[in-house]
Amino acid sequence: AQKITQTQPGMFVQEKEAVTLDCTYDTSDQSYGLFWYKQPSSGEMIFLIYQGSYDEQNATEGRYSLNFQKARKSANLVISASQLGDSAMYFCAPGGLETNAGKSTFGDGTTLTVKP
Amino acid sequence: DAGVIQSPRHEVTEMGQEVTLRCKPISGHNSLFWYRQTMMRGLELLIYFNNNVPIDDSGMPEDRFSAKMPNASFSTLKIQPSEPRDSAVYFCASRPPIRGSGANVLTFGAGSRLTVL
Repeated sequence: AQKITQTQPGMFVQEKEAVTLDCTYDTSDQSYGLFWYKQPSSGEMIFLIYQGSYDEQNATEGRYSLNFQKARKSANLVISASQLGDSAMYFCAPGGLETNAGKSTFGDGTTLTVKP
Repeated sequence: DAGVIQSPRHEVTEMGQEVTLRCKPISGHNSLFWYRQTMMRGLELLIYFNNNVPIDDSGMPEDRFSAKMPNASFSTLKIQPSEPRDSAVYFCASRPPIRGSGANVLTFGAGSRLTVL
């Protein structure tokens, strides 16, 4: 089983600045993945980025990157050059790779507000 | 692909009524998840299915809630009888079979917003 902790209920960032959203996890699995999802005010859940535990490089998708520190069990999301449209709720979630039956439970989320 | 399709998008009902939420997962996906989202409790996993079989329903709040997946292309979440505290957004999500070490991304439906008066 994996437990996700997101300690920042809310974050503010100035437009065009970078921001880091924290996610720590607790797992005894040898192989696992971490996902980040975005939920704008419209309510849909949008997949952003994924990091596998055996990936040697930190994942990057456009302005999104993961600061993955396996020893510290953290997978922080970095958003560079923030835009007003980045204002949303962000969720970190685990994904089991070793079995097709791994359940996906989400952290409590971080609400990001980008200020103009 | 049309994505994960949920219906209804909005439902307003009175306490005591039966509510049925529906979900059509993405074709080829073999895992299906039901989540509930509220301000107080955040995003909660209610139940998930793998190959149409319920694997873990420990998140189902009580006996008033039931979920079925009669085939690979359809699932229902039923609340009977409904109560005001069941008011929430209910999400269905599906996931493809795990392959290698790649990401197995959950794809969410648009959600069903339930209001129980």
